[in-house]
Amino acid sequence: DAGVTQSPTHLIKTRGQQVTLRCSPKSGHDTVSWYQQALGQGPQFIFQYYEEEERQRGNFPDRFSGHQFPNYSSELNVNALLLGDSALYLCASSLAAGYTFGSGTRLTVV
Amino acid sequence: GQNIDQPTEMTATEGAIVQINCTYQTSGFNGLFWYQQHAGEAPTFLSYNVLDGLEEKGRFSSFLSRSKGYSYLLLKELQMKDSASYLCAVRVSSGNTPLVFGKGTRLSVIA
Repeated sequence: DAGVTQSPTHLIKTRGQQVTLRCSPKSGHDTVSWYQQALGQGPQFIFQYYEEEERQRGNFPDRFSGHQFPNYSSELNVNALLLGDSALYLCASSLAAGYTFGSGTRLTVV
Repeated sequence: GQNIDQPTEMTATEGAIVQINCTYQTSGFNGLFWYQQHAGEAPTFLSYNVLDGLEEKGRFSSFLSRSKGYSYLLLKELQMKDSASYLCAVRVSSGNTPLVFGKGTRLSVIA
């Protein structure tokens, strides 16, 4: 049973560029949440998708947007990248109240 | 706002016992989670408490006091592989809602 799969694992982008990160949830999970984890910090909630709609959103600017597809997979898009967006981006899928995390995408903005 | 506090770093000796504390002040409470995270890897689930008391699972135990807004994770018979960050997270409402995390405690196990 595959867990949560994220791609790519590592990414280097230049300031001002746009990036798309992808997440395939654990089989049977219908909800996907995205978190940003800066170095030495805990994960910060970005937003959550359920039934292809954004259900909840954390304190992140509109440069951060997302999408969920009919197969429950999800994308996180970040526009106009800033140096401060450099972080590990974690996807967590869930069904009811059990959460499973992916290994994340390490984004470096230079 | 939501506030979850844990010590930033701890060091313990192989074979010993270590207790990692977590205090929380959140707008609601519907369970507290502990995760282990090795550097560059996914957080992995360790324990879940929603009622007061102690939950034991092998070498790991977790305690919750809702009235005090307090939890701890107890690790026994420490092994070198236990060197990792330990994340305390609160679910503030019922259902499939996102978790609010503390900053994590980096544990170093030394010989």
